[in-house]
Amino acid sequence: EADIYQTPRYLVIGTGKKITLECSQTMGHDKMYWYQQDPGMELHLIHYSYGVNSTEKGDLSSESTVSRIRTEHFPLTLESARPSHTSQYLCASKPTGTRNTGELFFGEGSRLTVL
Amino acid sequence: SQQGEEDPQALSIQEGENATMNCSYKTSINNLQWYRQNSGRGLVHLILIRSNEREKHSGRLRVTLDTSKKSSSLLITASRAADTASYFCATESTTSGTYKYIFGTGTRLKVLA
Repeated sequence: EADIYQTPRYLVIGTGKKITLECSQTMGHDKMYWYQQDPGMELHLIHYSYGVNSTEKGDLSSESTVSRIRTEHFPLTLESARPSHTSQYLCASKPTGTRNTGELFFGEGSRLTVL
Repeated sequence: SQQGEEDPQALSIQEGENATMNCSYKTSINNLQWYRQNSGRGLVHLILIRSNEREKHSGRLRVTLDTSKKSSSLLITASRAADTASYFCATESTTSGTYKYIFGTGTRLKVLA
């Protein structure tokens, strides 16, 4: 089992609220990713990080922001949630160097519903 | 647009039968991976095949890769009800830069007991 944790698993909030989705991994992985996935659909990369103080936007435009102050922590923030943000958000990580097998390790996901 | 297209989109088979799903991609790749996702959960890595490999086996899984056709297939032999899940291919593209993975549209497999 992968040691990567996402909280909350489920969140229902009203429009205009600020939310932060937490992602933590205890494997010491440098690379971390956020994907957005609508039910039964493909994953879209929205943010990624190569290490501390490194963040990049992914291929799908997103109004969310991320930070990477510590290796193990990669939170995603929405300043003002809207119904169009309703989706599942998946966090993943990947080691570098000799531990790199190419495999991505995923958390269980955070399902966000904005009313 | 997404790198990977998978077909079929959905597949329903009887327990014990083999399941084959296909993935096509558009750009040059370093490797191609297959992941499994149970409903409402995260993805779990199944198998990786590098661009210089043509076939790989892992237990009941067999993956093939044809870089000339930019396609891959995943075969699950002797399927079980517990194999019911969505299956995604993911490519690490040489043109999009390393460390970024592009996922396909997924195949939803249902294995009937």
